[in-house]
Amino acid sequence: DTGVSQNPRHKITKRGQNVTFRCDPISEHNRLYWYRQTLGQGPEFLTYFQNEAQLEKSRLLSDRFSAERPKGSFSTLEIQRTEQGDSAMYLCASSSPQGGANEKLFFGSGTQLSVL
Amino acid sequence: GENVEQHPSTLSVQEGDSAVIKCTYSDSASNYFPWYKQELGKGPQLIIDIRSNVGEKKDQRIAVTLNKTAKHFSLHITETQPEDSAVYFCAASSSGTYKYIFGTGTRLKVLA
Repeated sequence: DTGVSQNPRHKITKRGQNVTFRCDPISEHNRLYWYRQTLGQGPEFLTYFQNEAQLEKSRLLSDRFSAERPKGSFSTLEIQRTEQGDSAMYLCASSSPQGGANEKLFFGSGTQLSVL
Repeated sequence: GENVEQHPSTLSVQEGDSAVIKCTYSDSASNYFPWYKQELGKGPQLIIDIRSNVGEKKDQRIAVTLNKTAKHFSLHITETQPEDSAVYFCAASSSGTYKYIFGTGTRLKVLA
């Protein structure tokens, strides 16, 4: 399978706990994105990496959220001190540059987070 | 701020009929408009996209039209089949940013 892989698929946690999600992008893609999707809504941009550099962050990404891509391959998204409002589907996507033009995003199946 | 509105939120059609989903964007700098299909328990999958230098693009039963003046773009699915049932999202982005603004989605049901 050469698609975007996300783990775990589901995560249930208690309020106040920390959680970490992993994303493995398509191997030749150097750009990686995190989006959040709540029920009945479209995905909302969280952050974006080019190789290991985090180049853009949304205002949605509070101080409790941190994302890394240490070697420019897989990425992790950590949420500290989870709140019930963090319950959502966390989607990872990757893309490869197309000569500076807009790029096609390929999404993983997401991690569904439920904070009790 | 940037915004993409999508209508309708739900759409039911008989198998074989056509379905049309419409989106409006606010950022005049937007120049790339992809459409995604999301099935239950899966991430969004790109089905077709259009760039601002083109007014229409077609891929088999799926077509997208763009009206830059009105800031409208639409997805057209002809000869719908039950497997077309899913949630469809439009999105917009502009050069120089890697942030896509998504619409709120349209749940399409194709009735056999």
